[in-house]
This record gives sequence, C-alpha cells and structure tokens, in this order.
Amino acid sequence: AQSVSQHNHHVILSEAASLELGCNYSYGGTVNLFWYVQYPGQHLQLLLKYFSGDPLVKGIKGFEAEFIKSKFSFNLRKPSVQWSDTAEYFCAVRGQAGTALIFGKGTTLSVSS
Amino acid sequence: IAGITQAPTSQILAAGRRMTLRCTQDMRHNAMYWYRQDLGLGLRLIHYSNTAGTTGKGEVPDGYSVSRANTDDFPLTLASAVPSQTSVYFCASSDLSGGGYEQFFGPGTRLTVL
Repeated sequence: AQSVSQHNHHVILSEAASLELGCNYSYGGTVNLFWYVQYPGQHLQLLLKYFSGDPLVKGIKGFEAEFIKSKFSFNLRKPSVQWSDTAEYFCAVRGQAGTALIFGKGTTLSVSS
Repeated sequence: IAGITQAPTSQILAAGRRMTLRCTQDMRHNAMYWYRQDLGLGLRLIHYSNTAGTTGKGEVPDGYSVSRANTDDFPLTLASAVPSQTSVYFCASSDLSGGGYEQFFGPGTRLTVL
C-alpha cells in the first residue's frame, strides 16, 4: 500500500531562517505529489504540486519543492520563513491506482518573530 | 463564491445519536471525498465518490456511510456516533476529467461525541 512519511513532527524556526521539510513516499510507479498548508483554524490549501516535467516546482508564497525520483522524496523548501508561515504542512501523493490522495501525518511549523 | 461548503461548522453530539454532515460543492467536480483529521494522524480518507451514483471505502470507513445522489452533494452519516468519532471532518472535491487530481477542501466540521 502507498504511504507518505513526513520526517519532522514539529519544526521551530526564527524569522528569516531557511526551511526544509522532508517527505518520502512508498509508491514505485508514476506519482502526482502535493504539498498542502493549513493555517490555524483554516482548511487545507494547495501550496504546490508536481505531475511531470521539471522536478523543481515553485508554489505560492515563495515555497518550492524538489521531486527526486531515485529517493522517492518531495521535500518542501523556503529560503526565508516569515511569522505568517506558522501552520501545519501536509505532503500528499496520488499513485496511478486510484484518485484519492494519501496524506502524511503533517509537520507543524512554528515561526517566532 | 465558488467552492465547498460544509454544515454544521461544529456540533456536540451524544453517543448513540445519528448525525449527518453536509457537504456541497459548486465547481461541478466529479469526485468528492471525506477525510477526518486527528492530532498526530494527519488526514485519513473515510469514503470517496469518483462520480455521482458511485461511492467507495477509504482507509477508515467503519461507522460511516455516504451517498452521492447528484454531482454537488456528498453527505456523510454517522449512524450511531461513538466518542472515537470525535474529530474534525473535511470534505474535498477534485476534477478528475482534467487529470489534475488536485483536491479542494471545505472549511471543516468539528464534531465532538460525548
């Protein structure tokens, strides 16, 4: 069965620090990959997605992610975080077997000003 | 404004009671989904529907049922609520015909079963 692993449960950073959140998945075929963000008290919003082509994907609010097929990874990065980036971040994968997304357990990011 | 609406926003329910969570989308997406979100467990798929008239079971379907009579509505029913069903429930939809599979989420329903 497909699964998604997010390495960090809780990350605490100061403003302007760089961010990298790890995500690994366990499906060997063609995948679609997503990062979603959930701000406190809000619903999930799409940050970025990868379907094919350039493995470096740029999303909203300065986020980017790199798909490394050989490592089954799709890590999220941001060069300089802001207090407003405080949120929970979810990695998700869709394999060709179905249409539903499989989500990781999430990483809580706390940014102090 | 196009999107997904869910009702109620929150609910406190006595164990053993029946409850239906409502979900409506106006984007004409063919697929809809129900997830529950629990601390430390992320989002887990309860049921899904790839098109009106069809439904399927997700990772945690026990104690829940769904129906998809039309494209826009996808209600989730708890026949006899139990405290372990205390959670935040999110409805989502996606346009499978476009091949994108990106899911759009509703604002969620916070359910407490006592």
